Amino acid sequence: AQSVAQPEDQVNVAEGNPLTVKCTYSVSGNPYLFWYVQYPNRGLQFLLKYITGDNLVKGSYGFEAEFNKSQTSFHLKKPSALVSDSALYFCAVPYGNNRLAFGKGNQVVVIP
Amino acid sequence: EAGVAQSPRYKIIEKRQSVAFWCNPISGHATLYWYQQILGQGPKLLIQFQNNGVVDDSQLPKDRFSAERLKGVDSTLKIQPAKLEDSAVYLCASRKPGLTGELFFGEGSRLTVL
Repeated sequence: AQSVAQPEDQVNVAEGNPLTVKCTYSVSGNPYLFWYVQYPNRGLQFLLKYITGDNLVKGSYGFEAEFNKSQTSFHLKKPSALVSDSALYFCAVPYGNNRLAFGKGNQVVVIP
Repeated sequence: EAGVAQSPRYKIIEKRQSVAFWCNPISGHATLYWYQQILGQGPKLLIQFQNNGVVDDSQLPKDRFSAERLKGVDSTLKIQPAKLEDSAVYLCASRKPGLTGELFFGEGSRLTVL
């Protein structure tokens, strides 16, 4: 079964410091991987995706993610965190007929 | 382009009562999903529609949950009777044709069952 795991519950980072949110995957075949963000009291928003090609994927709001096949990871990164980046971040993998399975989510807290 | 619309945003009911949530997807999006998001967990798929047909409802608790999308546009999710464990945010999402995995979510309907 296709699945993703987000090992941390919360990530605290000082404003201006690099931000990393971890995700590992378990999929059969070539992986498609996604990151979504959820701001307080809002729905999820698509950030970026890996389909094939370059292992470094760039997305919205200055985020990027690095696909690492040997470590089965797809970590989300941002070089310099902003207070406004405080949100819930979900890693996701498609399965079946265009369905998405989400990880449990990581709460990111950016400290001013 | 208008986003996915959901209502109501908040609902508080007593257990054993019924509740209905409404969703209007983005125009032209044939695929519609209902997800349940319990506090501290990732969203869990309840049901997927393609136009007005059900593609997957394997995780829908059919003894109490029902959903329909009669004209292939807007959709309604109903819970009857509600249990305490149904307290969650119910998210509706739609997908643009041809874009694998890129879902557009509404702001959700937060249900509290007392």
